[in-house]
Amino acid sequence: AQTVTQSQPEMSVQEAETVTLSCTYDTSESNYYLFWYKQPPSRQMILVIRQEAYKQQNATENRFSVNFQKAAKSFSLKISDSQLGDTAMYFCAFISGGTSYGKLTFGQGTILTVHP
Amino acid sequence: DAGITQSPRHKVTETGTPVTLRCHQTENHRYMYWYRQDPGHGLRLIHYSYGVKDTDKGEVSDGYSVSRSKTEDFLLTLESATSSQTSVYFCAISELSGYNSPLHFGNGTRLTVT
Repeated sequence: AQTVTQSQPEMSVQEAETVTLSCTYDTSESNYYLFWYKQPPSRQMILVIRQEAYKQQNATENRFSVNFQKAAKSFSLKISDSQLGDTAMYFCAFISGGTSYGKLTFGQGTILTVHP
Repeated sequence: DAGITQSPRHKVTETGTPVTLRCHQTENHRYMYWYRQDPGHGLRLIHYSYGVKDTDKGEVSDGYSVSRSKTEDFLLTLESATSSQTSVYFCAISELSGYNSPLHFGNGTRLTVT
């Protein structure tokens, strides 16, 4: 079974600075996807970024980028130029390759607070 | 945003009572899921559906049942609610079954069992 671990329960950052959220996972599979979801106080789950395991290039989406280290099974999220609207809980998630029926495995979450 | 509506948004119920949560989608997606969110656990899959009347269990299915009589509706029933089922429940949908088809989530239902 897969496991996803987020070792930072809470993080804080000043507005306009950069912050990195950590995520490690454990799997014996070679084909999978990794995701970061954002959950603001509204409770909505928002997909931030995703990474295909077979791609060596790190995914980027505007101010959000990942550092994907497949051998180390590490998938960190970097937020550049942090904004107040980035305040949220962030979840790392894993899904196996093939017909996986949306069976995401989530980490415990990291609460990020952006201070003005 | 994907058209997913969960109802009710909040509910308080007593131990031992049955509870049904509803998920309605307007996207005509084949695949639907129920997750629960608890502190320290992230989200965990309860049940999922891969078509009308086709459902299967997820990681934490004990005490829950589901039904899907129409493409657009996926119901989650707590047969006899317990305090351990106090949680936030999320419905999600996806167009495809594969790992490269992202999930879109509803806004959640906060259930409190007293």
